[in-house]
Amino acid sequence: DAGITQSPRHKVTETGTPVTLRCHQTENHRYMYWYRQDPGHGLRLIHYSYGVKDTDKGEVSDGYSVSRSKTEDFLLTLESATSSQTSVYFCAISGDRGDSGANVLTFGAGSRLTVL
Amino acid sequence: AQSVAQPEDQVNVAEGNPLTVKCTYSVSGNPYLFWYVQYPNRGLQFLLKYITGDNLVKGSYGFEAEFNKSQTSFHLKKPSALVSDSALYFCAVRPRGYSTLTFGKGTMLLVSP
Repeated sequence: DAGITQSPRHKVTETGTPVTLRCHQTENHRYMYWYRQDPGHGLRLIHYSYGVKDTDKGEVSDGYSVSRSKTEDFLLTLESATSSQTSVYFCAISGDRGDSGANVLTFGAGSRLTVL
Repeated sequence: AQSVAQPEDQVNVAEGNPLTVKCTYSVSGNPYLFWYVQYPNRGLQFLLKYITGDNLVKGSYGFEAEFNKSQTSFHLKKPSALVSDSALYFCAVRPRGYSTLTFGKGTMLLVSP
């Protein structure tokens, strides 16, 4: 997980409260992603960023927003947390596609969020 | 829309035996294909990828994967399993020209001593 850190690693919160998860990278990579992992669903993309202030929605973006004001930081916000957002959240980074076109994702260690 | 299917929730194999973890995909064109592994309480780690060329791709820790275009499959294999290979394995696909990966639901590999 070198070069990418997530915080907090664990959080318990109550329904209706806002929550922000932070992803920080030291690799100067262009692309950053937020996934959630749930049993029976694997990893599903929430939002991703392809540059500072450039973001786009993923498969399960409802209830989530993101911001990227600096290359190194990608924030995921749950405006009003619900129990269905209890999950493990993973940030990932990758560089430009390059000649091969097949950039590899590097994942953070994950943030476990419990919404009561 | 692209999709990835891992038909087995769990694969059990004895140490020293060969293992196969299955993956099929549905995507237009020729995709990039990936395998990742997740150990308990850790993030995913890259194992190997298929871009083009030789259908047999070799990766980390002695793993390899075989790309079969006609069957749209990308099965993960290892000739001799180790107990330490026990983990959750994810297949993923990225269509050419896209920036995002689509993952399968994962297959738990359990290698018994």
